[in-house]
Amino acid sequence: SAVISQKPSRDICQRGTSLTIQCQVDSQVTMMFWYRQQPGQSLTLIATANQGSEATYESGFVIDKFPISRPNLTFSTLTVSNMSPEDSSIYLCSTDQGGQTQYFGPGTRLLVL
Amino acid sequence: DAKTTQPPSMDCAEGRAANLPCNHSTISGNEYVYWYRQIHSQGPQYIIHGLKNNETNEMASLIITEDRKSSTLILPHATLRDTAVYYCIVRLQGAQKLVFGQGTRLTINP
Repeated sequence: SAVISQKPSRDICQRGTSLTIQCQVDSQVTMMFWYRQQPGQSLTLIATANQGSEATYESGFVIDKFPISRPNLTFSTLTVSNMSPEDSSIYLCSTDQGGQTQYFGPGTRLLVL
Repeated sequence: DAKTTQPPSMDCAEGRAANLPCNHSTISGNEYVYWYRQIHSQGPQYIIHGLKNNETNEMASLIITEDRKSSTLILPHATLRDTAVYYCIVRLQGAQKLVFGQGTRLTINP
């Protein structure tokens, strides 16, 4: 299974600022995914990131708020822009190996004051 | 993706088998049943998946009914570290996303 790391593991940010979350995979993968988990809730997919193409966003999520980069097959970033307290969540990246199984990173815990 | 129904919470005694049910009555023939768990504030952990046949690995067993409308995840000898939220998800092979429901919060009691 893929080993996935995320940076930062947690952060406390002021409203109106932006935070970029990094996701690193120990092997080359085609698909990378970004999820959000709001407090006490289940996971919701934000977007799918393929290397070399624009990310595909789910309903309710827009590129201006959550820009994503995918510069190569082992790395992706998610930026949470112009943050408000409602953006306080755990943000998780995952990868899909061979279309069979998704593996998740440890998550980034974000608190916006 | 088909919708799944799970009990919101369950308790199990340490050392006993934990049996977690999942209903997926609208599952289609080419959809797999996946189980993940999320220990408090960590990323979800893959447990097991199956299509028709029962599956077993080092973590758990997955029992799928013959009509595929329901399944049961079995943790044979539950420990305190198995306390987590368990998610049952149905997914097309090769489909891009996982759709998480609310899962079952399993508490293992000493």
